[in-house]
Amino acid sequence: AQKITQTQPGMFVQEKEAVTLDCTYDTSDPSYGLFWYKQPSSGEMIFLIYQGSYDQQNATEGRYSLNFQKARKSANLVISASQLGDSAMYFCAMRAPSGGSYIPTFGRGTSLIVHP
Amino acid sequence: ETGVTQTPRHLVMGMTNKKSLKCEQHLGHNAMYWYKQSAKKPLELMFVYNFKEQTENNSVPSRFSPECPNSSHLFLHLHTLQPEDSALYLCASSLRKGSELGTDTQYFGPGTRLTVL
Repeated sequence: AQKITQTQPGMFVQEKEAVTLDCTYDTSDPSYGLFWYKQPSSGEMIFLIYQGSYDQQNATEGRYSLNFQKARKSANLVISASQLGDSAMYFCAMRAPSGGSYIPTFGRGTSLIVHP
Repeated sequence: ETGVTQTPRHLVMGMTNKKSLKCEQHLGHNAMYWYKQSAKKPLELMFVYNFKEQTENNSVPSRFSPECPNSSHLFLHLHTLQPEDSALYLCASSLRKGSELGTDTQYFGPGTRLTVL
């Protein structure tokens, strides 16, 4: 069965510092995709970054990068130079085959608070 | 309008009411999803539609009835709901291109915050 684990229910970071949000996953299939989403208090889930299981390099999108360690089955999100607007819930997700379909699996999320 | 839109943004209804949630995507996608997000619980997938055909129903009670008239529109019809159905209901869409399903990124709407009295 597919599983995403986010062990940090809450994280605090000082403005302008970097922060790492942890995500581990479990799948037996070699082909899968990993995603990170940001959910501000307004509710909308905003897509941040994607990493494919066959990608050789870690994905980067502006201040976001994904630290992909395939052997350890981890896909941590790194936010550099944190901003106050980064305060939100962050969800890790995976799409992997399960019974012939690719149903998305989400973690429980990590609440990030950025202090001025 | 761009991206994925949802209406209404907020809805308060009694247990005997009938209401509908609407989702529209302007991304040219072929798959649409309904999710339920309750406080302190993980995101729950409710329904999946691919090319207008329902492909997943995640054991959702029959008081929730989805409808997908075309690839751009998705509805969730609600009737005789319970207070525990109060939650944020999120709609998402994805391209669903061929067999590249592991790369199929979902894009979400702003959600409808539902309160059942």
